[in-house]
Amino acid sequence: SQTIHQWPATLVQPVGSPLSLECTVEGTSNPNLYWYRQAAGRGLQLLFYSVGIGQISSEVPQNLSASRPQDRQFILSSKKLLLSDSGFYLCAWSRDRGTADTQYFGPGTRLTVL
Amino acid sequence: AQSVTQLGSHVSVSEGALVLLRCNYSSSVPPYLFWYVQYPNQGLQLLLKYTTGATLVKGINGFEAEFKKSETSFHLTKPSAHMSDAAEYFCAVSGPARQLTFGSGTQLTVLP
Repeated sequence: SQTIHQWPATLVQPVGSPLSLECTVEGTSNPNLYWYRQAAGRGLQLLFYSVGIGQISSEVPQNLSASRPQDRQFILSSKKLLLSDSGFYLCAWSRDRGTADTQYFGPGTRLTVL
Repeated sequence: AQSVTQLGSHVSVSEGALVLLRCNYSSSVPPYLFWYVQYPNQGLQLLLKYTTGATLVKGINGFEAEFKKSETSFHLTKPSAHMSDAAEYFCAVSGPARQLTFGSGTQLTVLP
């Protein structure tokens, strides 16, 4: 069976510090991978998605970047965090079956920027 | 482009009562529709999805949803609420770029 891991689970960082969040998927190959942010009281905002190694699409301009160095690894980064980067970050994966495919979510990382 | 509107950011029901969570969508292509549930500080779990075929979709935990094209709706229902159903529920529509567009969520409270 497939599993998706995210770490760390929680993170408190000062403004201006760097960020690296990691997501890994087990039990499948060549997944589509996604990063979402969920701000308090709001829905999910798609930040990045990837259909393969080194292939990253950004949905909104922001202070964040993503990389996919390996098939089942997806990393969310920032060089300098802003207060507005606080939120709950969710990684998800799907099989390459087109638009009807289900996205499976990881447990999330709670980021607080102070 | 796709969009999802969830009517009611907070819904309260008594234990044993009917649960009805509303979702309306817009889509430029035939939609694929999803309902997810999120418990506090956890990721999202798929409840059910509609792709094609039967418009009444049954999911986990006794939930079901009906796709109504004429009303552009995909409301989620459960005949009898249980305390364990208290969570946040998200409706989502899938677009041609393999992305999901989520609604803003409905927080369900179940009263004893």
